[in-house]
Amino acid sequence: GIQVEQSPPDLILQEGANSTLRCNFSDSVNNLQWFHQNPWGQLINLFYIPSGTKQNGRLSATTVATERYSLLYISSSQTTDSGVYFCAVTARPNSGGSNYKLTFGKGTLLTVNP
Amino acid sequence: DTGVSQDPRHKITKRGQNVTFRCDPISEHNRLYWYRQTLGQGPEFLTYFQNEAQLEKSRLLSDRFSAERPKGSFSTLEIQRTEQGDSAMYLCASSLRTGTGSSTEAFFGQGTRLTVV
Repeated sequence: GIQVEQSPPDLILQEGANSTLRCNFSDSVNNLQWFHQNPWGQLINLFYIPSGTKQNGRLSATTVATERYSLLYISSSQTTDSGVYFCAVTARPNSGGSNYKLTFGKGTLLTVNP
Repeated sequence: DTGVSQDPRHKITKRGQNVTFRCDPISEHNRLYWYRQTLGQGPEFLTYFQNEAQLEKSRLLSDRFSAERPKGSFSTLEIQRTEQGDSAMYLCASSLRTGTGSSTEAFFGQGTRLTVV
């Protein structure tokens, strides 16, 4: 099945710093989502971005589907940005995967210190 | 509709007991998924329903696990004869099937954290 790799696995920042999280995937995708998992375990939707660029406040994301990667940018980070960020994809049917279930990476643990 | 809802949020059970979790998806969503997440890992797919039909079960889903979605609305996940290795966060998600057969954006519930002692 499709493989998803996220980097870096851990990231420590000072409040106010910018960061870039990367998601590489092994095959063509129908869907790509970025999530933030809060300390209580809930997955919060950040972006639904199978291709192109989107922005939402201090966060933005870019997916280059032809090169099989996506980037999540966090600017002017705040302590409330701390947590685990997951990238998840659904494969295209012609890549041999299921086009309905999400395959997750292992996440990036972000810690923002005051 | 306020999103995907799961109940209970936490469950502590003794080894060998049966437990049942409930998921209420977003009302217009016809696809429902169960995932399991252990410490330090991303969520892993367990099973998937389209309306009331269970269309895929992961190899992770042993015979002790059963899921239902009667009438294509809420879903239940039951674990029989729980083992310590079943301790995990169980997450439910829902989405819509598109005309091409793929899925729209998936939304997750708050999860049920199971601890087997």
